[in-house]
Amino acid sequence: SQQGEEDPQALSIQEGENATMNCSYKTSINNLQWYRQNSGRGLVHLILIRSNEREKHSGRLRVTLDTSKKSSSLLITASRAADTASYFCATDEYGNKLVFGAGTILRVKS
Amino acid sequence: DTAVSQTPKYLVTQMGNDKSIKCEQNLGHDTMYWYKQDSKKFLKIMFSYNNKELIINETVPNRFSPKSPDKAHLNLHINSLELGDSAVYFCASSGGYGSPQHFGDGTRLSIL
Repeated sequence: SQQGEEDPQALSIQEGENATMNCSYKTSINNLQWYRQNSGRGLVHLILIRSNEREKHSGRLRVTLDTSKKSSSLLITASRAADTASYFCATDEYGNKLVFGAGTILRVKS
Repeated sequence: DTAVSQTPKYLVTQMGNDKSIKCEQNLGHDTMYWYKQDSKKFLKIMFSYNNKELIINETVPNRFSPKSPDKAHLNLHINSLELGDSAVYFCASSGGYGSPQHFGDGTRLSIL
């Protein structure tokens, strides 16, 4: 079953602008992860946030988690053309698998 | 060195044929996965193995048979290929459930 729903489905911004993507999920989770997928490549893990954390940073990435609203957001600051990719959230449901959202396609125009 | 490698990268074949995809990881992980990504980019888990033991089988047709000869390898064999099997198949590995997963670059399967 698909757990996460991402919003927006597609986002187009200018280089230097910030990009925000949102993810909503339905059940209790152990952690939530964000991945990037460049065209024709596999997914690359970006950041993991545990259910008892509210915010996490990694370089130009900032992830927030609101377990009461069952939602997360990924902020990419000062975007670059190389950030053009699809971004997926994935939830670990205290089980033995990750469930991926449908993804947000980000296009950064130079 | 490529952490998770899968072969072939492209597979074009006729309906009804049998084909295999191979996956190897050099990360020392105990857990490996197969995912299917459809044309809308939706990624769905098919199988998961932990230390050569099948843990997850997500209602995949039994035409799909995974095999793990050792914990560094997880192959996928598909019998009697159907048009609906056209997709990109990804292998991944992780250090345990809930840990970040490392993906191969995918095998694009096209059924004619």
